[in-house]
Amino acid sequence: EADIYQTPRYLVIGTGKKITLECSQTMGHDKMYWYQQDPGMELHLIHYSYGVNSTEKGDLSSESTVSRIRTEHFPLTLESARPSHTSQYLCASSESGLMNTEAFFGQGTRLTVV
Amino acid sequence: AQSVSQHNHHVILSEAASLELGCNYSYGGTVNLFWYVQYPGQHLQLLLKYFSGDPLVKGIKGFEAEFIKSKFSFNLRKPSVQWSDTAEYFCAVNVPGTGNQFYFGTGTSLTVIP
Repeated sequence: EADIYQTPRYLVIGTGKKITLECSQTMGHDKMYWYQQDPGMELHLIHYSYGVNSTEKGDLSSESTVSRIRTEHFPLTLESARPSHTSQYLCASSESGLMNTEAFFGQGTRLTVV
Repeated sequence: AQSVSQHNHHVILSEAASLELGCNYSYGGTVNLFWYVQYPGQHLQLLLKYFSGDPLVKGIKGFEAEFIKSKFSFNLRKPSVQWSDTAEYFCAVNVPGTGNQFYFGTGTSLTVIP
């Protein structure tokens, strides 16, 4: 059972609000990821981190930002939410230092911006 | 970025029918290959993985997948599906040693009718 947690599970928020999606893992993984998932579409990588104070943008451009101040915590922030941000956001982590490793996923946050 | 193609978007089967879901990827070098499953309301879980060795890999719940390097394919199979296999299935790939970014297909929605 993966030990990676996302809160909230569901969020409905008004346009223009600032929101932070939380993601924490207890596996000591250095690598963490944020994916955006829309129905019928592949998971798109929007941010990743190789460790503390390391953050990179993924292949899909996103207006969100991330931070990695602690190994176990990788929050995603939207400064001003818009309806186009409505989506499911998935956090994942994987072990570093290995050539071959799998990703572990949280349950996701389903965000609706009205 | 790598690309992963899943050709079956929606599959409907009766219980006890055999299942094969297609997955093709674009990278010509060494890859790690994965199948993830997402049951309704749950997080993405690893079904099986291929790193090296025997190209026929067995996963949980009776699933297996075959890596065919010449076809850039990693198809998922199960001889006899059950109603509880109803879920979304995602094929994923990463390239060893490149930061472990995971690239996902669009997913296949499987519905098993009792």
